[in-house]
Amino acid sequence: AQKVTQAQTEISVVEKEDVTLDCVYETRDTTYYLFWYKQPPSGELVFLIRRNSFDEQNEISGRYSWNFQKSTSSFNFTITASQVVDSAVYFCALSGQISSGSARQLTFGSGTQLTVLP
Amino acid sequence: DTGVSQDPRHKITKRGQNVTFRCDPISEHNRLYWYRQTLGQGPEFLTYFQNEAQLEKSRLLSDRFSAERPKGSFSTLEIQRTEQGDSAMYLCASSLGIGALNEQYFGPGTRLTVT
Repeated sequence: AQKVTQAQTEISVVEKEDVTLDCVYETRDTTYYLFWYKQPPSGELVFLIRRNSFDEQNEISGRYSWNFQKSTSSFNFTITASQVVDSAVYFCALSGQISSGSARQLTFGSGTQLTVLP
Repeated sequence: DTGVSQDPRHKITKRGQNVTFRCDPISEHNRLYWYRQTLGQGPEFLTYFQNEAQLEKSRLLSDRFSAERPKGSFSTLEIQRTEQGDSAMYLCASSLGIGALNEQYFGPGTRLTVT
């Protein structure tokens, strides 16, 4: 069975602070994919990033960066110089390989509510 | 390019009634997914279509739930004899691909309230 844990239920920061959202996953698959989605107050899930298990390079996209560490089964997400518009619920998700029956669905964590105060 | 659309956006129904939701995926996407999200939780997978074939169903999908994608384009999700526990946001997503799971693009959801 696959599992994604986002231990931080809520985080509150002041604008321009950096913030890291933690994600820890469990899977027995050797090939898997990790995702981050953003769910703003409007409710629609927005895709942010997809990373496969063979690519451990960190990625940076503007103010967003992701740190994938296979040794600790973590895929953390950092927002640099946070802005009020970053306020949302952020979900980490996992999909596995076809042989385990988990390739065609996303297993989501319970999400982290980020509030950025002006 | 329009995104995934869902109709209706909100539905209030009385316990025991049947409801049907519609999802229109991104036009070139061959894969379509249904998820359910309750307050304070992440989405939970319900079912998956590749073209018109329903290839996977979660154990969450009881016999009262049925989904179709008749021509490999739009999809419907029907809940029969609704129960208060069915109250949730029902999300549809679509993606393009054959092999590995590509990123899924989500619609705005249908919020169901069963009274």
